[in-house]
Amino acid sequence: QLQLQESGPGLVKPSETLSLTCTVSGGSISSSTYYWGWIRQPPGKGLEWIGTIYYTGSTYYNPSLKSRVTISVDTSKNQFSLKLTSVTAADTAVYYCARLHRDASGLVFDYWGLGTLVTVSS
Amino acid sequence: AIQMTQSPSSLSASVGDRVTITCRASQGIRNDLGWYQQKPGKAPKLLIYAASSLQSGVPSRFNGSGSGTEFTLTISRLEPEDVAVYYCQQYGNSPLTFGGGTRVEIK
Repeated sequence: QLQLQESGPGLVKPSETLSLTCTVSGGSISSSTYYWGWIRQPPGKGLEWIGTIYYTGSTYYNPSLKSRVTISVDTSKNQFSLKLTSVTAADTAVYYCARLHRDASGLVFDYWGLGTLVTVSS
Repeated sequence: AIQMTQSPSSLSASVGDRVTITCRASQGIRNDLGWYQQKPGKAPKLLIYAASSLQSGVPSRFNGSGSGTEFTLTISRLEPEDVAVYYCQQYGNSPLTFGGGTRVEIK
């Protein structure tokens, strides 16, 4: 059974960089059938796609965050990571990592991590 | 970016009722749409992809329909475990975008 697990600091100071890692178990991140992505959800609000990566390193970002986001992949560790720079209180959210289909199923997220709350505060 | 508008934002229905949620896209997205269920404190769960295809393991009382700009998610007979927030998500164009959510409660 595929599992994804987010890890990283739960508290980040304003203007600093948020860094999270998603560890994939029960399947290979190098599968040609899937992309891997990050989604966030501010407390009590809706879902926002942050970006997506393929195992080759190709990335796709939400233009609203593109200037501050970097997503990378480490196939040897079966992990992918998120960095978000110059954070403000508006970046406080639950951050999820998830798997996306790259086939006829469409770009939907079929497996999700449990999510990790990141609070931006001094 | 394509805007996804869900209605209603919340609803209350009785167990056994038929429930319908609508999602409208600001431009045509063919059938490039998914639906998710999110229970309190949990990650979203994929219910429907390609507008009308049921994800494996999802009860058959969930049904998706529509194409172009208007889509619906129907729960044929509401069960207590269906209390959740439901989101649509389009993948017809980048960036991927979600609707604002519909909260479903039991009357």
